[in-house]
Amino acid sequence: SQQGEEDPQALSIQEGENATMNCSYKTSINNLQWYRQNSGRGLVHLILIRSNEREKHSGRLRVTLDTSKKSSSLLITASRAADTASYFCATATINNNAGNMLTFGGGTRLMVKP
Amino acid sequence: NAGVTQTPKFRVLKTGQSMTLLCAQDMNHEYMYWYRQDPGMGLRLIHYSVGEGTTAKGEVPDGYNVSRLKKQNFLLGLESAAPSQTSVYFCASTIGQSSYNEQFFGPGTRLTVL
Repeated sequence: SQQGEEDPQALSIQEGENATMNCSYKTSINNLQWYRQNSGRGLVHLILIRSNEREKHSGRLRVTLDTSKKSSSLLITASRAADTASYFCATATINNNAGNMLTFGGGTRLMVKP
Repeated sequence: NAGVTQTPKFRVLKTGQSMTLLCAQDMNHEYMYWYRQDPGMGLRLIHYSVGEGTTAKGEVPDGYNVSRLKKQNFLLGLESAAPSQTSVYFCASTIGQSSYNEQFFGPGTRLTVL
């Protein structure tokens, strides 16, 4: 079962605009991570936000977490054509045997037009 | 430092054939994971390993077996391939049990079962 669900499933914007993707989840988490996947490639870790954090920044990325609403958002500011990719949220729960167990959502496909 | 590598990159099998996918990491990570990614969906965990000589089932383990004879390698086997196993397979690794560690992903193996 998928813990995280991204919204929208697809997003198309012009270069320079901001892109916002949302993720909702169902159960308590330890942290939430965002990954990026370029077409035909593996996933690359972007940012991790802990359950006791509300906002985190990394370069042009801004992530928020609202544990009361069980939701997170990823904002990419001043988007570039090179940001075109699929973006996945992954919720991490504690598992004594497996450590960092990640459950992935279905992803948001972002297209940034030059 | 190659990170996480996977072989082969592509494979076509006939129903009933068997094959082994190899994942190798050179980061001295303890934990390794096998996921599958189907179109429009996020990654689903097949099996994982928390150290050399250990393996455990994930969310969708049926039809797959794994082995971790060496710390740096994690093998995924399909004993009798079925069309439902057509997918892209990703291997990932992480350094240890902390839930705040990111996972590092390989480039994927695209498997088609006819």
